[in-house]
Formats: sequence, C-alpha cells, structure tokens
Amino acid sequence: QSVLTQPPSVSAAPGQEVTISCSGSSSNIGNNYASWYQQVPGTAPKLLIYDNYKRPSGIPDRFSGSKSGTSATLGITGLQTGDEADYYCGTWDTSLGAVIFGGGTRLTVL
Amino acid sequence: QLQMQESGPGLLKPSETLSLTCTVSGDSISDSSYYWGWIRQPPGKGLESLGEISSSGKTFYKPSLKSRVIISLDTSRNQFSLKVTSVTAADTAVYYCARKRPPDAFDVWGPGTRVTVSS
Repeated sequence: QSVLTQPPSVSAAPGQEVTISCSGSSSNIGNNYASWYQQVPGTAPKLLIYDNYKRPSGIPDRFSGSKSGTSATLGITGLQTGDEADYYCGTWDTSLGAVIFGGGTRLTVL
Repeated sequence: QLQMQESGPGLLKPSETLSLTCTVSGDSISDSSYYWGWIRQPPGKGLESLGEISSSGKTFYKPSLKSRVIISLDTSRNQFSLKVTSVTAADTAVYYCARKRPPDAFDVWGPGTRVTVSS
C-alpha cells in the first residue's frame, strides 16, 4: 500500500481533459515538491512535471501540475490516444528519508 | 545527450546477491548537481525507489531495504552500482537506474533490466 494515494484508473474521450489526484501528508507532499511520470507499458517512466508544476523541455503544455496542501494534481487537456499510459506521482518523504511514489493511475482514452 | 544503461545478471537464485551497474554517457556522475538512483517495478505493480547516491558518495536508502541494499559510485568508469543481498522472489522486478535532479525528480531513466529470482 503506497504512502501516496492515487485513483487506480481514470478515463475520458479524445479531446477531453482529465485530472489525476495524488494525496499525501505533511511529511511528503505537504512540505516537498511533487513530480509526475508517464509510463507506457513495457517502457521506462518519463518525467512529465517536476517542482509541482514545471515541465521539462519537450513536454507539451497540455500537461500541467498543481499542488494544494498535502495533495498534488496532474491535468491533461486535449486527450490523445497516445496519452494512454500509467501515471505516477512522486515526492520526497521527510520521515522516511526517501523518494516515494504513488500506486499509479491507468489512463484510458476511450 | 545523457543516456543511462543498466546491466547485470537477469536470473538469480534465492539467497544470492543481486548486482547491477548503470553506465552513464553524455554527462559526468561527478557533477555535483545531481543524485543517481535505483528504482524497481515488480511485475504488474508500481514504482519503488530503492535509494540514491550523490557525486560525493552520500547515500539515502529506503528504510525497509536499508539492511540489504548498497549503492556505490565508480567515477573513473562513470558508473554507479546496486547490490541487494539475500534476494527472494519478492525482489523479482524490472530495475531502473535514473538521474535525480534537485530536489526530488528523476529526469533521465535507463531502459530498465529485468531480474528474476527463482530456484
């Protein structure tokens, strides 16, 4: 069971938008930066968002991140079939002294 | 462009020691701006960070694995390594090496290497 809680799955139609939540506590998201990763099955994860809302070079602005209190949110607009993947949140946990990840959310683009 | 590649045995027996190496190209692991980490993913499950090491050799380990995990640097070869002792079937996973940009995001990943523990 992950310290960070994500919904197991979300779905939406092409062109629509979706949000994925990541709920933590004061020892992790509440006092540290959140990041988000996309993993197409069979491939390595790819960093989508870091420092709560920043996008690495090459990541389209359809992907956005935000943080409020002990929760972080990933938003994806203009959904494409290529966005079908597993999405993970991550952050540092001060109590554990380690990086932790959420359990992952499977996005289905109907 | 930075590239990372894991290497090591793909099949181990219970109680053996897992040893993996990550070869980094396109950047020096001596660069003090980054940490270098190991993450694993059991079949059908999520990501688990095992630990990380700074360019100066400072290490952080997941508490539940701390007694079995060692991460080390070889700056002369631009590599860093992972050792997990006394493996069991629960250590079966795809193992990834990755670069961690401050403060806590893994921004470059290797393709991963599958490790199976079976008698």
